[in-house]
Amino acid sequence: DAGVTQSPTHLIKTRGQQVTLRCSPKSGHDTVSWYQQALGQGPQFIFQYYEEEERQRGNFPDRFSGHQFPNYSSELNVNALLLGDSALYLCASSLPPGGPGEQYFGPGTRLTVT
Amino acid sequence: ILNVEQSPQSLHVQEGDSTNFTCSFPSSNFYALHWYRWETAKSPEALFVMTLNGDEKKKGRISATLNTKEGYSYLYIKGSQPEDSATYLCAFLDSNYQLIWGAGTKLIIKP
Repeated sequence: DAGVTQSPTHLIKTRGQQVTLRCSPKSGHDTVSWYQQALGQGPQFIFQYYEEEERQRGNFPDRFSGHQFPNYSSELNVNALLLGDSALYLCASSLPPGGPGEQYFGPGTRLTVT
Repeated sequence: ILNVEQSPQSLHVQEGDSTNFTCSFPSSNFYALHWYRWETAKSPEALFVMTLNGDEKKKGRISATLNTKEGYSYLYIKGSQPEDSATYLCAFLDSNYQLIWGAGTKLIIKP
């Protein structure tokens, strides 16, 4: 039973560039959430996708966008990268919204913006 | 703005000792409280999902309690072992199904 997978593992980008991160959910899960974790902080919720739509969004600018595909996999796109976007980006999958929402996390993508 | 606070921020405990730490969350719009364990170089792993006031859950030497009326949860570890070293995160799931995270308690077990 495949768990949550993310790619790439590490990424280095320059300010102003754009980046796409990818996530495949755990088998049987159809809801994908994205989080940003800066050093020393808990994960900050970016957004959640269910049925190929963004269902909820945290306090992140429009530079952060996403997509969910029919196979439930998801992408996180960040435009016009800033130094402050350097962080660990976690993807988590879960069963549909409405339940207790236990999250299953991927290994994360470490993004460094220089 | 909803805040989830965890204390202490970090904790050093002697192997064999028991310990506990706290998660404080808003007492309104409660849906569930999650505890996760995050070991270095691994993904966060769910420990408990608690939904009812007065809930107490146990997994081996780790247990958690929940008080939704006053907005706190305690995580207890009995007889700490080196493999318990990790960051323990709590997260509050509100009635809009949004998960709000604490910053974590970093636990270091000294052999």
